[in-house]
Amino acid sequence: QVQLVESGGGVVQPGRSLRLSCVASGFTFSSFAMHWVRQAPGKGLEWLAVISYDGNNQYYADSVKGRFTISRDNSKNTLYLQMNSLRGEDTAVYYCAKAPTNTGTGWFDPWGQGTLVTVSS
Amino acid sequence: VMIQSPDSLAVSLGERATINCKSSHSVLASANNKNYLAWYQHKPGQPPKLLIYWASTRESGVPDRFSGSGSGTDFTLTINSLQAEDVAVYSCQQYYITPWTFGQGTKVEIK
Repeated sequence: QVQLVESGGGVVQPGRSLRLSCVASGFTFSSFAMHWVRQAPGKGLEWLAVISYDGNNQYYADSVKGRFTISRDNSKNTLYLQMNSLRGEDTAVYYCAKAPTNTGTGWFDPWGQGTLVTVSS
Repeated sequence: VMIQSPDSLAVSLGERATINCKSSHSVLASANNKNYLAWYQHKPGQPPKLLIYWASTRESGVPDRFSGSGSGTDFTLTINSLQAEDVAVYSCQQYYITPWTFGQGTKVEIK
């Protein structure tokens, strides 16, 4: 079955960097766009970034533009989120999610189980 | 911006729960007459689960007590005959324009 497994979360100091990974299985990873979405404590879901099936196109939420970079390695069925200059407000559970299209348009399904990132000194 | 109402509601088992979602812009595409709106169920400790897409198409495996309706800017998720396992936060999401945006979520509890 389709499965997404995130890793890489943890506790990091403000201003530092972290890279999240999402390993996909059960579908042709290279055919679909992928997203990152987060949920801060007590808050709603926030879309962060999308990358097209071939990695050639990326779009970001204003809240992370210039600090976060989404990328993928289709040979490893893996999606990444490089997070730089982390701030306290970046503390959240981070999810990767599959798009139903190769461009990213559409709903998110399925989602990974999430990985917790805590930014604190 | 997607605004849901109410923020929370308590419903008796077997009764109906109704959640509203209002978009600041229309999500109806004239090219294909489809509403670019999805609904998700989110339980503590679990990832969100897709329930509805295209505003009213139920995802495979989702019980038929869940239904979506609406068009343009106003949408509704209805849970008929609420079951104990339906206790969760429900969120709408538009995918018509970037950035993709979610409603703030509606918490459904048992009365």
